[in-house]
Amino acid sequence: DTGVSQNPRHKITKRGQNVTFRCDPISEHNRLYWYRQTLGQGPEFLTYFQNEAQLEKSRLLSDRFSAERPKGSFSTLEIQRTEQGDSAMYLCASSLDSTETGELFFGEGSRLTVL
Amino acid sequence: QQPVQSPQAVILREGEDAVINCSSSKALYSVHWYRQKHGEAPVFLMILLKGGEQKGHEKISASFNEKKQQSSLYLTASQLSYSGTYFCGTLDLNSGYSTLTFGKGTMLLVSP
Repeated sequence: DTGVSQNPRHKITKRGQNVTFRCDPISEHNRLYWYRQTLGQGPEFLTYFQNEAQLEKSRLLSDRFSAERPKGSFSTLEIQRTEQGDSAMYLCASSLDSTETGELFFGEGSRLTVL
Repeated sequence: QQPVQSPQAVILREGEDAVINCSSSKALYSVHWYRQKHGEAPVFLMILLKGGEQKGHEKISASFNEKKQQSSLYLTASQLSYSGTYFCGTLDLNSGYSTLTFGKGTMLLVSP
């Protein structure tokens, strides 16, 4: 399967702990996006990479969140000192074309539960 | 700013038609439609570009009124497989972002 792969699929953690999610995009895609989705809501943009460069971050993104894409391939999203409000599905997507005309391919997400 | 979708939910019998609307207060470059089934990833349906170019799904159509900043998704002769939550994503080039802002979604349930 050459789709977008995310792991872990589920993570339960205690408040205050750090968590890291990994995303492996479709191999030829140079654009990679992180979104967050809570129940009854649409995906909310967090950050976006073109190759290894992080080009955009949501203004709403707390400084406890950090993302990397070190070699322009896989990406990691780390949340430090987790809070209960961080509980959500974290979706990764990749694309080949620009956002204006390109289709986003989403992974199945990593579900975070903060106790 | 998040686009507004209506209705929030639709229940249909197989073979009936539905229209899902998406509106924005911003001038839009494009509108994108995705469908998400329960527990699955969102899947691309269609892009509508400023200027009228359309790309997308063969059995689902859509329109984009640039002046009103509105888009509508038309599902005709609905099938059971159409069930899911439909999201519109908008691209507002004046926002400074080149990424999509999604609406809250419209839940569609097609019953036999």
